[in-house]
Amino acid sequence: KNEVEQSPQNLTAQEGEFITINCSYSVGISALHWLQQHPGGGIVSLFMLSSGKKKHGRLIATINIQEKHSSLHITASHPRDSAVYICAAEKTSYDKVIFGPGTSLSVIP
Amino acid sequence: EPEVTQTPSHQVTQMGQEVILRCVPISNHLYFYWYRQILGQKVEFLVSFYNNEISEKSEIFDDQFSVERPDGSNFTLKIRSTKLEDSAMYFCASRGTGSPLHFGNGTRLTVT
Repeated sequence: KNEVEQSPQNLTAQEGEFITINCSYSVGISALHWLQQHPGGGIVSLFMLSSGKKKHGRLIATINIQEKHSSLHITASHPRDSAVYICAAEKTSYDKVIFGPGTSLSVIP
Repeated sequence: EPEVTQTPSHQVTQMGQEVILRCVPISNHLYFYWYRQILGQKVEFLVSFYNNEISEKSEIFDDQFSVERPDGSNFTLKIRSTKLEDSAMYFCASRGTGSPLHFGNGTRLTVT
């Protein structure tokens, strides 16, 4: 069983829609990472969180430690948000980060 | 903003050859990692490196692989006797205390 699961696997949205990507993990963590992988392959860190909620621009990440669940929200989605969004669990601080399978998002104008 | 740089961006090699993938982490970072992503699959952890030694390695990281930080700035991944299944995108990442991961743009390794 994968230690980090994401849903949905693929998501198509109309420009302007509110988007939610879900992540569940089965291990104890010190932090949960949300990353974005561009079509060209580069990976960018969006959030690192261990509790509560973080916001950066139109992106919001939340985590519920008790339920071992995190969500990434994108408000007012735009075609440039089209990418693969990856949830990754860090079990022990600064140790390996276990990647989820990713959610492929396509935002249509 | 400081970046993690990786060279080369694309490496083609013949099966059985040795390759060295190079990374220059962000200068004040202390933790270094190599990950790989086989085409169409998720990113997999290979190895983490701290204080000039390996801190953790995955099952994938067997005797075929080695890492070095030869001069205090570069961080290299050596793959000996490459196999077809080593073809993948290899990502280097670094992080400082309390900071998120910073990834390089990756090296696409093609083994023919």
